[in-house]
Amino acid sequence: QKEVEQDPGPLSVPEGAIVSLNCTYSNSAFQYFMWYRQYSRKGPELLMYTYSSGNKEDGRFTAQVDKSSKYISLFIRDSQPSDSATYLCAMSLLTGGGNKLTFGTGTQLKVEL
Amino acid sequence: GAVVSQHPSWVICKSGTSVKIECRSLDFQATTMFWYRQFPKQSLMLMATSNEGSKATYEQGVEKDKFLINHASLTLSTLTVTSAHPEDSSFYICSAQSEEETQYFGPGTRLLVL
Repeated sequence: QKEVEQDPGPLSVPEGAIVSLNCTYSNSAFQYFMWYRQYSRKGPELLMYTYSSGNKEDGRFTAQVDKSSKYISLFIRDSQPSDSATYLCAMSLLTGGGNKLTFGTGTQLKVEL
Repeated sequence: GAVVSQHPSWVICKSGTSVKIECRSLDFQATTMFWYRQFPKQSLMLMATSNEGSKATYEQGVEKDKFLINHASLTLSTLTVTSAHPEDSSFYICSAQSEEETQYFGPGTRLLVL
C-alpha cells in the first residue's frame, strides 16, 4: 500500500464547475499537508499548505484536512480552462532535519470550455 | 517571493558524458534543498536531500557516485549526473526549503541522453 493514494484521473469538467480533488494517506504521523499544481513540462507550484484539520480558503481554492479519516481535499470553485493541470497532494512529518515530502501520484484535471 | 531557478532548462548529451544542473533560490536562503526526478505521467521521486555545508542524504536505490550533489552556499545546490546513460533521461526538479519549512520548486531540467 502506498503511503499516499491519489486518483490519477483524468478528470474532465466544464468551465465554472466545482472541482473536488482528494488524497488519502496511511501514516498518521503526517502533520503538514500541501497541494501543488503542475503544468506540463514545468515544476510544481505551491497552491496551499496547512498544518491542522479543518478548512483553509484562498480565493477560489479551499483545502480541507481530516486527520481522523486521513483524508485531504482541494476544492476549486468556478473552475477555469487555465486550471487545467496536474494537481499533486504532498505531506510531511516535519522532522526538522529537512522537510521530506511524500507525494501522491497527481490528478490530471481538464477544464473544458 | 520564493522563486527557485534551475539551469539549464533542458540539455541533450551523449552517453558517457557528465551533466551539471544548478538550482538557485533567488530571494531567500535555503539550508536544505531537495532533488527529484519525474518520469512522464508519474509523480516526483525524491532522490536526495541536500544540506548546505554537509554531505547530501540519498534515498534508497539512488547511487551517490552517479548523482553528485554539492550545496556550497545557502542559495545554490548542484546535481551532476556522471557518465550519463539513456536510462538517466528524465525530468529533474529541485526544491528549496524556506525558513517556514515550505518547499518551493524550480521549473525543472529536462535531460535527454543519446
